[in-house]
Amino acid sequence: QQQVKQSPQSLIVQKGGISIINCAYENTAFDYFPWYQQFPGKGPALLIAIRPDVSEKKEGRFTISFNKSAKQFSLHIMDSQPGDSATYFCAASSGSEKLVFGKGTKLTVNP
Amino acid sequence: DGGITQSPKYLFRKEGQNVTLSCEQNLNHDAMYWYRQDPGQGLRLIYYSQIVNDFQKGDIAEGYSVSREKKESFPLTVTSAQKNPTAFYLCASSIIGRSTEAFFGQGTRLTVV
Repeated sequence: QQQVKQSPQSLIVQKGGISIINCAYENTAFDYFPWYQQFPGKGPALLIAIRPDVSEKKEGRFTISFNKSAKQFSLHIMDSQPGDSATYFCAASSGSEKLVFGKGTKLTVNP
Repeated sequence: DGGITQSPKYLFRKEGQNVTLSCEQNLNHDAMYWYRQDPGQGLRLIYYSQIVNDFQKGDIAEGYSVSREKKESFPLTVTSAQKNPTAFYLCASSIIGRSTEAFFGQGTRLTVV
């Protein structure tokens, strides 16, 4: 049973455009929602994370939007750059439970 | 520098042989995890451990074994029973007791030849 559903599987945007990746979850006990960025041949690294007491968190060009009632959260990358080309994973967890990951989105930003 | 070290980066194995992947962390984290990554499959949990000398199966444990004799170390053995072992393997660690991030190693790419 997949507890975090991520879409799209792949995404191509032009340099300067906005990249949007969406995730939906089922477990209402989740209280931590991170996004990871992974470059080819490397391990994932935390990009940005949010807790459900806020609806939005922004760090530079990266923003998480969180909709608790819809059980959805999304990553927005503003002014997308070729260096942002990577695979992005959303995840969720609650308390001491392990992170549950989405299946990932491969982002390609064309110059 | 604190972090997670996986070794080796690349590993080649002949069919029918067991092979052990190393994972060491100096973050003083209690929890450690092993994931397998295949193209288009995301991160699939193999095993995890929240305390020394204890570990639990993840979603795809068949053909794998682990040990947790020390807090810092969580080696993964890919046995000959694993039918399709060629993959990218990732080790991670985290604090337990509250929701927080997991830190990943740089991965080991295992190829069966």
